[in-house]
Amino acid sequence: GAGVSQTPSNKVTEKGKYVELRCDPISGHTALYWYRQSLGQGPEFLIYFQGTGAADDSGLPNDRFFAVRPEGSVSTLKIQRTERGDSAVYLCASSLVGGDAWLSGYTFGSGTRLTVV
Amino acid sequence: GQQLNQSPQSMFIQEGEDVSMNCTSSSIFNTWLWYKQDPGEGPVLLIALYKAGELTSNGRLTAQFGITRKDSFLNISASIPSDVGIYFCAGVIQGAQKLVFGQGTRLTINP
Repeated sequence: GAGVSQTPSNKVTEKGKYVELRCDPISGHTALYWYRQSLGQGPEFLIYFQGTGAADDSGLPNDRFFAVRPEGSVSTLKIQRTERGDSAVYLCASSLVGGDAWLSGYTFGSGTRLTVV
Repeated sequence: GQQLNQSPQSMFIQEGEDVSMNCTSSSIFNTWLWYKQDPGEGPVLLIALYKAGELTSNGRLTAQFGITRKDSFLNISASIPSDVGIYFCAGVIQGAQKLVFGQGTRLTINP
């Protein structure tokens, strides 16, 4: 597609429930990233995929968070046993890989606003 | 982990004024980026800086990559209403694909 698409745009869930957030990257972008943005803060890195594999998952806060990208395109961020502190905007970005061009093409989606009540 | 300190946290200016904001870090970054984020949207890249000492312009925006590679500033000249938003600096760590963001500067413009 023309841009990075994230669904849903808003998600309200009860504490303890499981949620899935979806990211559809720009066509042809091999790299995909998830960030979390808490209110009043800058985005914080969660995980980076190169193709189907997670190349760097050092930002995932704990084992309740998991992400997959089974076919190297769409990715799903999964959060188990949600807590109120998980409330944030979850941003996805995609890019090409290699050279300096990857940064100029590093494009963010509009995010999913997750509220845990 | 790495942290970027961005200042000021917020600015209230009159339309037509120039704006300056900066970002400092205790760590060295080999690339600095400046983004703007509007409500309900993801950050949009404004300027990318790849070399220490580099000064780059994009229309009314000018940004510089500090010579120590630990700081950067962004200037906006002759502000207009559509400049309202939150501006973020971000650093790229050598060999990593991830971005480290500052806390943001919220710009408000009085007409």
